Amino acid sequence: ETGVTQSPTHLIKTRGQQVTLRCSSQSGHNTVSWYQQALGQGPQFIFQYYREEENGRGNFPPRFSGLQFPNYSSELNVNALELDDSALYLCASSPRDMFLGADTQYFGPGTRLTVL
Amino acid sequence: AQSVTQLDSHVSVSEGTPVLLRCNYSSSYSPSLFWYVQHPNKGLQLLLKYTSAATLVKGINGFEAEFKKSETSFHLTKPSAHMSDAAEYFCVVSDQDSGYSTLTFGKGTMLLVSP
Repeated sequence: ETGVTQSPTHLIKTRGQQVTLRCSSQSGHNTVSWYQQALGQGPQFIFQYYREEENGRGNFPPRFSGLQFPNYSSELNVNALELDDSALYLCASSPRDMFLGADTQYFGPGTRLTVL
Repeated sequence: AQSVTQLDSHVSVSEGTPVLLRCNYSSSYSPSLFWYVQHPNKGLQLLLKYTSAATLVKGINGFEAEFKKSETSFHLTKPSAHMSDAAEYFCVVSDQDSGYSTLTFGKGTMLLVSP
């Protein structure tokens, strides 16, 4: 167990709708990253938050946005859902301090999003 | 930019035989390298991590990996496969270029273990 939890576990939406996915990071980890894992692929980096600010983004459009809260929880929001957004969404937490292993990320179980 | 290539999409072994999952990486500087495992319908579990302290890294469940800079490889091995090892394995490199740490994943290797 990594101490990272995600909700819901599964979600079905229709094209054009909006969705919010939630993550609770491991206690003491002030950095959270979100990844999209399409079927049969490795996870791809969406963005990262540190102290409630986005500090890095992968190749994803602005309709993917996020929030991080002081209580180690965070959200991934996706607007105007498209069929290709169907995937497993993973959040991962890590400490900021490189001495503690900032590059080691601990993953939650994921949310399976299906867009119809 | 850093990248990872996992040389086999599927590897099949018999229970009790050795496991070898191959990974090559591309990095502009000394990287941190990881292997993660994903069991069906589960999240990603960290198997092991290389950070330049030692070239042979031991992980959980009897897995180990050897960092070879001259070959830019980080292959994962286990002396004797167990049925519970059947899962997808990802080789991962940590990207520090942008001032923050992100992970770049390979496409994964599915390990199949037969009795």
